[in-house]
Amino acid sequence: AQSVTQPDIHITVSEGASLELRCNYSYGATPYLFWYVQSPGQGLQLLLKYFSGDTLVQGIKGFEAEFKRSQSSFNLRKPSVHWSDAAEYFCAVGGRSNTGKLIFGQGTTLQVKP
Amino acid sequence: NAGVTQTPKFQVLKTGQSMTLQCAQDMNHNSMYWYRQDPGMGLRLIYYSASEGTTDKGEVPNGYNVSRLNKREFSLRLESAAPSQTSVYFCASSGPGQVGNTEAFFGQGTRLTVV
Repeated sequence: AQSVTQPDIHITVSEGASLELRCNYSYGATPYLFWYVQSPGQGLQLLLKYFSGDTLVQGIKGFEAEFKRSQSSFNLRKPSVHWSDAAEYFCAVGGRSNTGKLIFGQGTTLQVKP
Repeated sequence: NAGVTQTPKFQVLKTGQSMTLQCAQDMNHNSMYWYRQDPGMGLRLIYYSASEGTTDKGEVPNGYNVSRLNKREFSLRLESAAPSQTSVYFCASSGPGQVGNTEAFFGQGTRLTVV
């Protein structure tokens, strides 16, 4: 079955510290992978996406993610977290079809300590 | 450029009432989606429309109906609301591009409470 797992429901980091949010997926074929961010009361904004090619992808706001096929993972990283990064983060997987529908993980809430 | 617009933003319904959530996109996208977001469960797909004139069930379609009115608009209807449908609903759209090679753009959400 197709699924996305984000093992960490809540993460707290200090401002300026590094961040890694984990994402594991189960998908029958080579997937498209996405990370979205949701600020309180807002919709979802795309941070970055992986379709093919270089397995390390850069996104907005200084985020990056690495696709590791052997581990079925697509972890999100940021070297230095800012207080404005506090939000909920969703990993999602999509298929290589023309429907574009996505399967989302449960989400990870990031809290940033001053 | 408004992107994806949902109305209303907030709604309270009584059990058994009906209502329609409206969604419109101005990006000339072919595909549109309705998701619901519940705590600890991420977003789950209710229905989607890969192109104008087609609709398909997603993961959690029971209790909902949809209409792809035209290329721009995709509405979600609750015929007889139940407390289990209390949730935040998101509409999204994605463009043609290459097959599957697109990102989804989301509306701001509708917070629905059924009492």
